[in-house]
Amino acid sequence: QSAVTQEVSVSGTVGQKVTLSCTGNINNIGSYAVGWYQQISHGAPKTVMFGNSLPSGIPDRFSGSKSGTTASLTISGLQPEDEADYYCSTWDYSLSAVVFGGGTKLTVL
Amino acid sequence: QEQLQESGPGLVKPSETLSLTCTVSGDSISGYYWNWVRQSPGNGLEWIGHIYYTGTTNYNSSLKSRVTISLDTSKSQFSLKLSSVTAADTAIYYCARAPLYGGRAVYFDYWGQGSLVTVSS
Repeated sequence: QSAVTQEVSVSGTVGQKVTLSCTGNINNIGSYAVGWYQQISHGAPKTVMFGNSLPSGIPDRFSGSKSGTTASLTISGLQPEDEADYYCSTWDYSLSAVVFGGGTKLTVL
Repeated sequence: QEQLQESGPGLVKPSETLSLTCTVSGDSISGYYWNWVRQSPGNGLEWIGHIYYTGTTNYNSSLKSRVTISLDTSKSQFSLKLSSVTAADTAIYYCARAPLYGGRAVYFDYWGQGSLVTVSS
C-alpha cells in the first residue's frame, strides 16, 4: 500500500478539462509540495509540474494545486499528445523517503 | 539545460551486484539531491535513494540493506550499487535531479533516459 494514491485511470475527450488527483496524508502531501511527471509509452518521465509551478517548455494548459492532503493536476483543453501515464511524488518525513503515487493512465478519447 | 545519462551493464547475474553510473552535464552538482528511481516491467516508479551534494544519503527502507549511492564531484557523476540482485530487480533504472525544496527532495526536475538492467543467468 503506497503512502500516496492516484486514480488508476482517467479519460477525457479532446478539448475537455480533466483533473488527476494525488492523495496522501499529513506526513507527505499535507506538509510538502508535489511533483507531477508524464510518461509517454514507457519512455523516460518528464516533469510537467512542481507545486503550482510550470517547468519551462510545458504548455500552460497544465496547472497544479493542493488542498490539505490532496494535490491535483489539471489539464485544460486536453490534447491527443497528453495521453500518458502520470505520476506524482513528494517527500514523506515519517518514512524519510520520496514517495510516488501508483500512477494514473490518462486516455484521450 | 541539465543533462543526465545513465551507463552500466545491461545484464547482471543473480546474486551479483548491479552497478550504474549517472553522468551530469550542464550545471553544478552542488545544491541538489541526486536520485535513483526504477521501474520494473508493467509497474510504476519506485524511488531507490539519493545522495545530497554534501554526501548525505537516504535510501528506500525496502532496499536499504542492499543499496549504496556514492558521488564523485570531480567527475560530475554519481553511482548506484545494488547487491545480491534477483530477477525482481530487473527494471529500467533512471537517475534524476531533485532541487532542495523546503529542505527536502520533494520533486525531480531532470531525468536521465533510463538504463534497462536485466537480472538473469
